[in-house]
Amino acid sequence: SQQGEEDPQALSIQEGENATMNCSYKTSINNLQWYRQNSGRGLVHLILIRSNEREKHSGRLRVTLDTSKKSSSLLITASRAADTASYFCATGMIYNQGGKLIFGQGTELSVKP
Amino acid sequence: SQTIHQWPATLVQPVGSPLSLECTVEGTSNPNLYWYRQAAGRGLQLLFYSVGIGQISSEVPQNLSASRPQDRQFILSSKKLLLSDSGFYLCACTLGQGRRTEAFFGQGTRLTVV
Repeated sequence: SQQGEEDPQALSIQEGENATMNCSYKTSINNLQWYRQNSGRGLVHLILIRSNEREKHSGRLRVTLDTSKKSSSLLITASRAADTASYFCATGMIYNQGGKLIFGQGTELSVKP
Repeated sequence: SQTIHQWPATLVQPVGSPLSLECTVEGTSNPNLYWYRQAAGRGLQLLFYSVGIGQISSEVPQNLSASRPQDRQFILSSKKLLLSDSGFYLCACTLGQGRRTEAFFGQGTRLTVV
């Protein structure tokens, strides 16, 4: 079964607006990661946040992690049309399950110019 | 940095035919390797993962199998394809246990079973 579940499934915004995507998971994790996928391509890693971290920034990306609620959010500020893609969270369970990496269903983001 | 080579990019196969998809990794040794399948507009389903040569963990019982004959080679196979095997197959790697765990992906193989 899937570990991470993203919300919303689809998001449509105007260029310049912020986009927020959420991810919930079920079991204890070592880290949580966010990935981006352009249509028909492989996934590209965006950012990793460890279980002992609460917030992390990378450029226009901001990730938060709340282990008590088993949830994470990805914020993309000042969105651009080029941010249009699907975004996935993935949970890493390194020590318990030999490196298994489980992905959620993804959020499809559309940024309109 | 790691590079994943995955081929072919697209494949159309008849029902009942065999399948072999190959994935090779450059730029690291002893990686964890993964095969995922993605249905249209859906998330990634973990099919198999491997932490070493000959070590395969199966996540979903189905018509597929995986093998790891060499450290940086991961093969997805089927003896007889089903229509339901159609999808986008992605190979990925992470560095070994206890190290950085971001995943690197190949460009995927779009398999259509007809």
